[in-house]
Amino acid sequence: AQSVAQPEDQVNVAEGNPLTVKCTYSVSGNPYLFWYVQYPNRGLQFLLKYITGDNLVKGSYGFEAEFNKSQTSFHLKKPSALVSDSALYFCAVRVSSGSARQLTFGSGTQLTVLP
Amino acid sequence: NAGVTQTPKFRILKIGQSMTLQCTQDMNHNYMYWYRQDPGMGLKLIYYSVGAGITDKGEVPNGYNVSRSTTEDFPLRLELAAPSQTSVYFCASSRRQSSYEQYFGPGTRLTVT
Repeated sequence: AQSVAQPEDQVNVAEGNPLTVKCTYSVSGNPYLFWYVQYPNRGLQFLLKYITGDNLVKGSYGFEAEFNKSQTSFHLKKPSALVSDSALYFCAVRVSSGSARQLTFGSGTQLTVLP
Repeated sequence: NAGVTQTPKFRILKIGQSMTLQCTQDMNHNYMYWYRQDPGMGLKLIYYSVGAGITDKGEVPNGYNVSRSTTEDFPLRLELAAPSQTSVYFCASSRRQSSYEQYFGPGTRLTVT
């Protein structure tokens, strides 16, 4: 089955420190990978995606993600965390179902940046 | 642009009641989706549509129905509400299926008691 896994339910980091939110994937073929962020009582917002090309993808709000094919990972990173980065982060992968292509989301990682 | 709007924001239903969750987008997107979000479970796809008049089931369609009579609107119908349908429901849209940058509405929090 094609899926993504987020092994950490919760990540805490001090403001100003680098942050990493982990994601691993399991797909057949080339993966299309995404990160979304959800602030309290809001819908998800797109952060970045990897389709092909450079393994380091840059996205919104200073976030970036590193695609690692050998480790089947797509970790989200930021060099210096802000308190305002505190939110729920979702990794997603495109899956094919019949003639359609859909997104499958991970279970989410709650990031808390401590002042 | 308002983006994706959903109504209502909150609703409490009794078991067996029915209701329609409304979703409208003003971005002229062909693709629209309904998800439910349960704590610690991520998002599960209920139904999706690739254009007006075309809908298909997602991962968890049982207990729900949809229609897509216009490009803008994609209502989700709950018939005979059950406690298992207590969840937060999100509508989303995207311009193209392959791009997969989906735009989400603010959600509807539904409680069935």
